[in-house]
Amino acid sequence: SQQGEEDPQALSIQEGENATMNCSYKTSINNLQWYRQNSGRGLVHLILIRSNEREKHSGRLRVTLDTSKKSSSLLITASRAADTASYFCATRDTGTASKLTFGTGTRLQVTL
Amino acid sequence: GAVVSQHPSWVICKSGTSVKIECRSLDFQATTMFWYRQFPKQSLMLMATSNEGSKATYEQGVEKDKFLINHASLTLSTLTVTSAHPEDSSFYICSAQPGLAVGDTGELFFGEGSRLTVL
Repeated sequence: SQQGEEDPQALSIQEGENATMNCSYKTSINNLQWYRQNSGRGLVHLILIRSNEREKHSGRLRVTLDTSKKSSSLLITASRAADTASYFCATRDTGTASKLTFGTGTRLQVTL
Repeated sequence: GAVVSQHPSWVICKSGTSVKIECRSLDFQATTMFWYRQFPKQSLMLMATSNEGSKATYEQGVEKDKFLINHASLTLSTLTVTSAHPEDSSFYICSAQPGLAVGDTGELFFGEGSRLTVL
């Protein structure tokens, strides 16, 4: 399956700063989801944005979606050391009933 | 949120043996479960889609006879790595999806993963 591309691959910031991760994909989508993975653990769902939505907020998270550019961004505001993890976007295609395709991921390191 | 239990969390086995990994949805019925494989510092690669009561759908390049998937009930799917070899060493993650209803967006709930090391 064609994976989405995420950039940057790795991001290192200091606590309190904002972190922005970008995701690009190739197909028509039903929705786009962001997941978080702590090292050696499973994934945790963070936020979902539908194809007819342009922006969504959840706590310190802000997600945007531009279907014309086939891209999305995840912004984490006022980052904390506990935000250190890998972040993946995942798309659910319009033509596929249930399959999620994951992006390449961004490894975020938040230092004190 | 919904809970998915996966075990064992780690397993070490000798080359040539078979290893079974279980994935259970604890508080919901999962008509569909997915099995992923993840290499260090890489993304998740979908191996197969497991549907309760029917044969699994494997992704291109995944050997059906090598990775046996059984989804015998609405709360349990198993992945058996048969005749394991060192190249099968990896992190395997399952995820489960509650039955899709109208308007359901299909958020996935993940197990904690199983790290397989084949000596």
